[in-house]
Amino acid sequence: DGGITQSPKYLFRKEGQNVTLSCEQNLNHDAMYWYRQDPGQGLRLIYYSQIVNDFQKGDIAEGYSVSREKKESFPLTVTSAQKNPTAFYLCASSFTISDTQYFGPGTRLTVL
Amino acid sequence: AQKITQTQPGMFVQEKEAVTLDCTYDTSDPSYGLFWYKQPSSGEMIFLIYQGSYDQQNATEGRYSLNFQKARKSANLVISASQLGDSAMYFCAMREGLMTGNQFYFGTGTSLTVIP
Repeated sequence: DGGITQSPKYLFRKEGQNVTLSCEQNLNHDAMYWYRQDPGQGLRLIYYSQIVNDFQKGDIAEGYSVSREKKESFPLTVTSAQKNPTAFYLCASSFTISDTQYFGPGTRLTVL
Repeated sequence: AQKITQTQPGMFVQEKEAVTLDCTYDTSDPSYGLFWYKQPSSGEMIFLIYQGSYDQQNATEGRYSLNFQKARKSANLVISASQLGDSAMYFCAMREGLMTGNQFYFGTGTSLTVIP
């Protein structure tokens, strides 16, 4: 089955720790994205990648980092510099940056 | 100015009735795309329907149709014959074209509750 997987589904982190969220797709999509969603709000773009070994900052990149070493994978690291990381994180992908984005099931991150 | 505006925070509809969810957008790019996504309580964003700015006809996908009024910059989602499983958050989104860097914007969403 083709799709986008995110792991883990729930993640708990202590303050001051870095944590990495996984996103994998087998749809052969070139573009991948990370969004953050806070309660009662829409999605805000953190980072996106149009192609392997390339990525661009979105609207709220501070305190986050990404890598795109493989077409299928786009992990997001939430660093200790992110002051309010508790949120729901969604990964998406599309054939190209002009195409429809399809989403993974999301990771809910809670900072204790 | 907001790129995507959804003015209805919450909507209720009787089962089997039709419902319209409003969406207005703002762009100066002649080439753009409009999308609707459904987000059930599980959290996953499910793509429903797409309308391109140059498409002459309104998009339809099963019980979903997009009422595209270009001059008014509106892209309302119409759900016909509502079902209990339609209860969810609905987000309108826009992708601007090459002229403005293919930026993608989401609205704040509308919560739809289908009443039995």
